[in-house]
Amino acid sequence: DGGITQSPKYLFRKEGQNVTLSCEQNLNHDAMYWYRQDPGQGLRLIYYSQIVNDFQKGDIAEGYSVSREKKESFPLTVTSAQKNPTAFYLCASTAGGPNEQFFGPGTRLTVL
Amino acid sequence: GNSVTQMEGPVTLSEEAFLTINCTYTATGYPSLFWYVQYPGEGLQLLLKATKADDKGSNKGFEATYRKETTSFHLEKGSVQVSDSAVYFCALSGLPITYKLSFGAGTTVTVRA
Repeated sequence: DGGITQSPKYLFRKEGQNVTLSCEQNLNHDAMYWYRQDPGQGLRLIYYSQIVNDFQKGDIAEGYSVSREKKESFPLTVTSAQKNPTAFYLCASTAGGPNEQFFGPGTRLTVL
Repeated sequence: GNSVTQMEGPVTLSEEAFLTINCTYTATGYPSLFWYVQYPGEGLQLLLKATKADDKGSNKGFEATYRKETTSFHLEKGSVQVSDSAVYFCALSGLPITYKLSFGAGTTVTVRA
């Protein structure tokens, strides 16, 4: 079955540590996205990538970094510079244009 | 810029009640409009969509009509079930970046038996 996988489902990190969240899709989609979701809030865009080896900052990119070396993979690194990293992180992909985005199951990151 | 305003929740209903969640938007041109649903602890799933004025999206008993004149895309269901308890997000994609979604804040719906 085609879809998006995110791992791990739950992640705990100590303050000052970097952590990388995985996102893989087998939908052959060109565009991929990372969102952050906080309780009672909508989704906020962190980074997005339209093609391999290219990505753009979203609305809240500070303290995050990404790479897009393969079409199917778009990992997100939460760095120690991110001041409030505890949140639910969602990865998505789309075939492009004004089409719907398909979402992964999310990773819940907690900073201890 | 593009923005979406949703009815604030939470909304609590009894089974078989009528559900309406209001959604209005601000956008340039003719955006595509979406409703997504999120069940507890999960990612978002597309519920329905409409890509041009007067289009009606429908799925699982839910409906929403793209109203250009009122810039609205209200979600409705005639008879809700306990399994409809979730968070509902209205979203749009449009100019200047058609592949970027703008989301509303989400509306939490709880249906009681």
